[in-house]
Amino acid sequence: KNEVEQSPQNLTAQEGEFITINCSYSVGISALHWLQQHPGGGIVSLFMLSSGKKKHGRLIATINIQEKHSSLHITASHPRDSAVYICAVTGNQFYFGTGTSLTVIP
Amino acid sequence: DAGVTQSPTHLIKTRGQQVTLRCSPKSGHDTVSWYQQALGQGPQFIFQYYEEEERQRGNFPDRFSGHQFPNYSSELNVNALLLGDSALYLCASSFGQGDTEAFFGQGTRLTVV
Repeated sequence: KNEVEQSPQNLTAQEGEFITINCSYSVGISALHWLQQHPGGGIVSLFMLSSGKKKHGRLIATINIQEKHSSLHITASHPRDSAVYICAVTGNQFYFGTGTSLTVIP
Repeated sequence: DAGVTQSPTHLIKTRGQQVTLRCSPKSGHDTVSWYQQALGQGPQFIFQYYEEEERQRGNFPDRFSGHQFPNYSSELNVNALLLGDSALYLCASSFGQGDTEAFFGQGTRLTVV
């Protein structure tokens, strides 16, 4: 069993839809990260959070430490949001989920 | 600020050969971590360097080794390459050993034939 589980694995949405990606983890953590990876490989850090909620533009990330669960929300999705979204946690090392592949159709 | 830079971007090697990948951290960062990402999988932690020493290591064989230089740049070396070593190798830099935001490079795509 992976230390970090994401759902769904794949997601297709129409432009403008509200999107939610979920992440559950089983290890003790000090922080949780949401990362975005575009085709070609480069990874961009979207959020690092250890409690509560963070917002950046159309992106919102929440974490519930007691339930060991985090969600990434995208409001008013756009085709340029198409990417793989990876949840990662830091405890004694970095543990990554396998990613959620998002495709937003115009 | 160039951010995290990795070289080369792509590389093809033959089984049994050795390879060296390079990473320059973001300006002001002193910690470098390396990850292996197989196709369709999430990244897997290889090791982390801080103050020129390997501080943490993931579940990778001794064929994977590294080095950090006084300017904080780092190398990842893989000996006796196997077909299964084909992957995207990502480098991330951060400041210090605590929980700070990590910045990732574009990766080096290694293909072993």
